Amino acid sequence: NAGVTQTPKFQVLKTGQSMTLQCAQDMNHEYMSWYRQDPGMGLRLIHYSVGAGITDQGEVPNGYNVSRSTTEDFPLRLLSAAPSQTSVYFCASSRTGGSQETQYFGPGTRLLVL
Amino acid sequence: AQKVTQAQTEISVVEKEDVTLDCVYETRDTTYYLFWYKQPPSGELVFLIRRNSFDEQNEISGRYSWNFQKSTSSFNFTITASQVVDSAVYFCALSEWGSSNTGKLIFGQGTTLQVKP
Repeated sequence: NAGVTQTPKFQVLKTGQSMTLQCAQDMNHEYMSWYRQDPGMGLRLIHYSVGAGITDQGEVPNGYNVSRSTTEDFPLRLLSAAPSQTSVYFCASSRTGGSQETQYFGPGTRLLVL
Repeated sequence: AQKVTQAQTEISVVEKEDVTLDCVYETRDTTYYLFWYKQPPSGELVFLIRRNSFDEQNEISGRYSWNFQKSTSSFNFTITASQVVDSAVYFCALSEWGSSNTGKLIFGQGTTLQVKP
C-alpha cells in the first residue's frame, strides 16, 4: 500500500495563476480531507469529503475548490492563487469521518505564491 | 469552544534526557478523541497515538508514554532517553464526537523538539 500520495511536492505560482494539488489514497477510505499548515497555527481544515460525490467546507475554504469523483482521488483546486495561500498542504484520509477514526496524512505539498 | 494549546513552542534537550511535551485541550463534548502526530524534518505527518475520553489509563510504547488527565484537560507526551531521531515537530489534536462526521481535527500549534547529541 502506498497510503496517501500527493503531487507535486513543491510548486511556485504567480498571483492569479491556477493549479490543482493532487491527492490519492489506496486504502479504500471513505473520508478524505485537505489541511493547510501555517507557522504557529498548526493545521486547519480546508475541505473534506465523506464519500464519492460528497464534499463540504472546513474551517478555511475560501479560495479553494474540491471534487470527489472517485473514492481514491480528492484534488484541491486553487482558481486564482494569492500570496496568502502560500502554505504547506496536507491531504488526509480515514476509514470514515467519525471522530474515533485515525486520519493518515500524505507527505504534503509546499506551495509558494509570489 | 474547542481548542488545543501546546504552550511550549520549542524545546531543546541533550540526548538521553527525558522530555515532556504538554497538551491542554478545551471541549464541551463528553466524548472526544485525542491524537499525537510527529512531523520529522522530512515534513510528513506520522500518527503516534489515539486516546478516547473514557480511557484514562496511561499508555507506554517503548520510549514513548502518554499521560491523559481529564481533571486538568491534559494529554501530555513524554519521551524517555531522547535520541537525535526524536527531533521533530509534535502536534496534539482533538476530535469531537459532536463534530457530526466532519472528521475535523483541531490541532495545537505544535512543539518543536530539538535533541542535541
